Amino acid sequence: AQTVTQSQPEMSVQEAETVTLSCTYDTSESDYYLFWYKQPPSRQMILVIRQEAYKQQNATENRFSVNFQKAAKSFSLKISDSQLGDAAMYFCAYRVVGSTGNQFYFGTGTSLTVIP
Amino acid sequence: NAGVMQNPRHLVRRRGQEARLRCSPMKGHSHVYWYRQLPEEGLKFMVYLQKENIIDESGMPKERFSAEFPKEGPSILRIQQVVRGDSAAYFCASSLLRGNEQFFGPGTRLTVL
Repeated sequence: AQTVTQSQPEMSVQEAETVTLSCTYDTSESDYYLFWYKQPPSRQMILVIRQEAYKQQNATENRFSVNFQKAAKSFSLKISDSQLGDAAMYFCAYRVVGSTGNQFYFGTGTSLTVIP
Repeated sequence: NAGVMQNPRHLVRRRGQEARLRCSPMKGHSHVYWYRQLPEEGLKFMVYLQKENIIDESGMPKERFSAEFPKEGPSILRIQQVVRGDSAAYFCASSLLRGNEQFFGPGTRLTVL
């Protein structure tokens, strides 16, 4: 079964501080992509960062970085220097490379509040 | 290059009516995916289409739901005889090729009264 688990329904962080959002997944595939999406109140899905499973180096995009532990099937998102605009729902997702379906599997989300 | 377009953005239907949701993929993209997001949940895959073909509909409810992606025009997700449980946000995504990056549209929020 392909599942994605986000064990933190809600998180909060003080502005300018750092927060880490957790994600674990379960798959028997060896080649896949991992993603973090942000969904603000507008409900638009915004890609934050993505990681190819074959790459050992953790992906980084400005203030956003991941800690990818392939053996543990863990993919956490670290947001540094948190800003008010970071407040949103964050979804972890993965997509298998080369499968017939090619669809995303999403977690249930973590609601992030940024405290001024 | 416009992104993925979905319309309407908001749709209200009474129980028993039909809902038609449209998705225009990014220019040049011939692969479309539909996802449903129920309240307080993540997106769940429904169906994957390529022009004029349904590739994978493993996530589609067996009854009342259908999807198409004709040679010309947008992809349509059709829900017949809607029920309150169909109230959700419906997202489509498109990609250039099967394994390529998927880009999401803004979603259609369906409310069934």
